Amino acid sequence: DVKVTQSSRYLVKRTGEKVFLECVQDMDHENMFWYRQDPGLGLRLIYFSYDVKMKEKGDIPEGYSVSREKKERFSLILESASTNQTSMYLCASNSFLAGGFTDTQYFGPGTRLTVL
Amino acid sequence: AQKITQTQPGMFVQEKEAVTLDCTYDTSDPSYGLFWYKQPSSGEMIFLIYQGSYDQQNATEGRYSLNFQKARKSANLVISASQLGDSAMYFCAMREGPAGRRALTFGSGTRLQVQP
Repeated sequence: DVKVTQSSRYLVKRTGEKVFLECVQDMDHENMFWYRQDPGLGLRLIYFSYDVKMKEKGDIPEGYSVSREKKERFSLILESASTNQTSMYLCASNSFLAGGFTDTQYFGPGTRLTVL
Repeated sequence: AQKITQTQPGMFVQEKEAVTLDCTYDTSDPSYGLFWYKQPSSGEMIFLIYQGSYDQQNATEGRYSLNFQKARKSANLVISASQLGDSAMYFCAMREGPAGRRALTFGSGTRLQVQP
């Protein structure tokens, strides 16, 4: 079974703090994604990575950066947290190179971040 | 324009009855994939079913089936014989283009409540 883990389920930070959200997958997937989920808006893509050290901006990258130094780990960084970044953050991974018929994304449990 | 539209913010269904959750999509790419995910109150996103744009048959997975009407650009999820454990948020998502280095675009979701 695919396993995607995220470093925290709940996190409370102060405005201006630097925040790191970590995601690890154990299935050797080449693609990893960070989404943000807000009520009524569904999930929106922040960044994704298709290989180590490679990244692409999603729909809402402002205020975020990412790091992928190892294939299994994808970090989301809030350089200076703001209250409008209070949200649920979901990490996902997938692979199409494994020879499957679909590229289903598998999600971690999510991190609910509150910025005060 | 919205890429994925879910017009039902909330739905109620009686236990053991069937329910249809609506999803319409918008793309000009001939190759795409459509996904449905379930999100219980615990927050994890659970993959339910996939339909590729070139698939001739409607996808089915146990009690879940996808009513794919390509000309109408709709991909409704049908849950047969609803169970109390089906109460959750349901998200429709689309991958535009062939499988590979691509993220998903999500709808705003439908909250399904199954009543005993």
